[in-house]
Amino acid sequence: AQSVTQPDIHITVSEGASLELRCNYSYGATPYLFWYVQSPGQGLQLLLKYFSGDTLVQGIKGFEAEFKRSQSSFNLRKPSVHWSDAAEYFCAVGEPTGTASKLTFGTGTRLQVTL
Amino acid sequence: KAGVTQTPRYLIKTRGQQVTLSCSPISGHRSVSWYQQTPGQGLQFLFEYFSETQRNKGNFPGRFSGRQFSNSRSEMNVSTLELGDSALYLCASSFSGTPPNGYTFGSGTRLTVV
Repeated sequence: AQSVTQPDIHITVSEGASLELRCNYSYGATPYLFWYVQSPGQGLQLLLKYFSGDTLVQGIKGFEAEFKRSQSSFNLRKPSVHWSDAAEYFCAVGEPTGTASKLTFGTGTRLQVTL
Repeated sequence: KAGVTQTPRYLIKTRGQQVTLSCSPISGHRSVSWYQQTPGQGLQFLFEYFSETQRNKGNFPGRFSGRQFSNSRSEMNVSTLELGDSALYLCASSFSGTPPNGYTFGSGTRLTVV
């Protein structure tokens, strides 16, 4: 069964500093990979996704993620964090088969931004 | 284009009662998935419906059920509510339900069981 690990439960960064959120997955082949963000009391907003091709993926709000097959990782990065980026971030994998239709989520990383 | 709409946003029910949650997907989307989010278990897949058929199901007891109508709107029902069913229930819609088409989530329904 596929699984997703987000090793950092909580991260605090200063506004303007760079950010990297870690995500490791376990799956026999290359899965479809996603990063979602959730503000308090809200649903999930898709930041970016990787299916194939270029391993560096650009997303919304200035985020990017890099797929590294050798490390089974899909880390999320942002060069300069804004206070409005404070939220919870979820990495998710989807099975790349025609009938598979569910996402498996990591436990999330809560980002706190200090001014 | 309107997003995924979930109603109601908040719900308080008593243990033993049943509850029905509603999800209206993005126009043209035929797949609707449901997820339960709790502090202890995180985000867990409940089930997915495509063209009125349940296509995939997670590891939840039979008290959790769902259905999809011909206009792709979906409902999920939880019978004999338990305190542990308190959670944020999220609905996600997709054109076909397969990952490449992506999933758009609603804002969720916060269910509190007392």
